Amino acid sequence: DQQVKQNSPSLSVQEGRISILNCDYTNSMFDYFLWYKKYPAEGPTFLISISSIKDKNEDGRFTVFLNKSAKHLSLHIVPSQPGDSAVYFCAARGNFGNEKLTFGTGTRLTIIP
Amino acid sequence: DGGITQSPKYLFRKEGQNVTLSCEQNLNHDAMYWYRQDPGQGLRLIYYSQIVNDFQKGDIAEGYSVSREKKESFPLTVTSAQKNPTAFYLCASSIVADSYEQYFGPGTRLTVT
Repeated sequence: DQQVKQNSPSLSVQEGRISILNCDYTNSMFDYFLWYKKYPAEGPTFLISISSIKDKNEDGRFTVFLNKSAKHLSLHIVPSQPGDSAVYFCAARGNFGNEKLTFGTGTRLTIIP
Repeated sequence: DGGITQSPKYLFRKEGQNVTLSCEQNLNHDAMYWYRQDPGQGLRLIYYSQIVNDFQKGDIAEGYSVSREKKESFPLTVTSAQKNPTAFYLCASSIVADSYEQYFGPGTRLTVT
């Protein structure tokens, strides 16, 4: 059972425009939500996080929004740059005894120059 | 340069052979993790270790074994009991076990024929 879902396997966005990546989850016990970015042939790198008690967290061009009632989070990248082309994984940290991460399937973002 | 190294980058084995994947970190992190990534799937947790000489099964531990004799090292053995061993394997570490920021190595692509 996939507890963290990214329903869009790919997304193409024009350079300079906003990229919006979406993620849904099913377990209300998650206490932190994260976004990781992965380039080909490299391991993922941590990008941004949000606590379950917040609804927004901003870091430069990256903003993550959390809608707890809808069990949905999104990552906004503004403005999108060619270097943002990568696979983005949504992840959630459990708060039930072992704080391991559960990852989504990833969304491949392509920024078109 | 602090980081996580995984070797080799590509590994080929015949079916029925055990194979050990290396993971070393010089970040002085307590916790280490092994994930598996398959096409169209997120990162799935195989094993994790919160401290030296201790490790726990993740979501897909069957057919794998690990050891944590040193803080810096967390090797993963893919045994002949693993039914579908061909995959991309990622090792990660975090400062402490409940830290959501994990640092990933570059990965090892294992092909078993």
